[in-house]
Amino acid sequence: EAGVAQSPRYKIIEKRQSVAFWCNPISGHATLYWYQQILGQGPKLLIQFQNNGVVDDSQLPKDRFSAERLKGVDSTLKIQPAKLEDSAVYLCASSLNEQFFGPGTRLTVL
Amino acid sequence: GQNIDQPTEMTATEGAIVQINCTYQTSGFNGLFWYQQHAGEAPTFLSYNVLDGLEEKGRFSSFLSRSKGYSYLLLKELQMKDSASYLCAVRGNTPLVFGKGTRLSVIA
Repeated sequence: EAGVAQSPRYKIIEKRQSVAFWCNPISGHATLYWYQQILGQGPKLLIQFQNNGVVDDSQLPKDRFSAERLKGVDSTLKIQPAKLEDSAVYLCASSLNEQFFGPGTRLTVL
Repeated sequence: GQNIDQPTEMTATEGAIVQINCTYQTSGFNGLFWYQQHAGEAPTFLSYNVLDGLEEKGRFSSFLSRSKGYSYLLLKELQMKDSASYLCAVRGNTPLVFGKGTRLSVIA
């Protein structure tokens, strides 16, 4: 069974630039999550989708972050414009019960 | 709100047993999860407890006491490859919230 796929694996940008991350969940998993994990911390939920609807985006900085899951399968997370403090690993996960995580995208903002 | 506490770091010897504790405060309770995360990798699922008691899975066991807001992860017969961060996560009335993780170092 294929796992959660994410791309790119690494991204380096300058502050004020834009960046987008892509996630393809495990087939059949209706629930998809985006997390931000800063070095030395646990993952922090940014947004949760159930099919193509948003369940929780209370911790998403909506002035600069956006996410969509138009067809209820793949999802993209965008940051525009990026700040230095956005440097982190962005993890995508999908679930039926327990969550399965993708390999993450390591973002460095210079 | 939700609050999850676990020790920042622990060190244990190869072949020994180690217990990693997690205390939590949550609005509602719908399960507690333990994840393992090796450096530079994504978290991987270890265990899930929703009822009080001990769940055993090979060398790993997880215990839950809902009345005390307490869980522990027990690792037996430690191996060098068990060196990793162990994340406690709780699902309350909100989506899963993760603790900061406990970094376990296994030494020879």
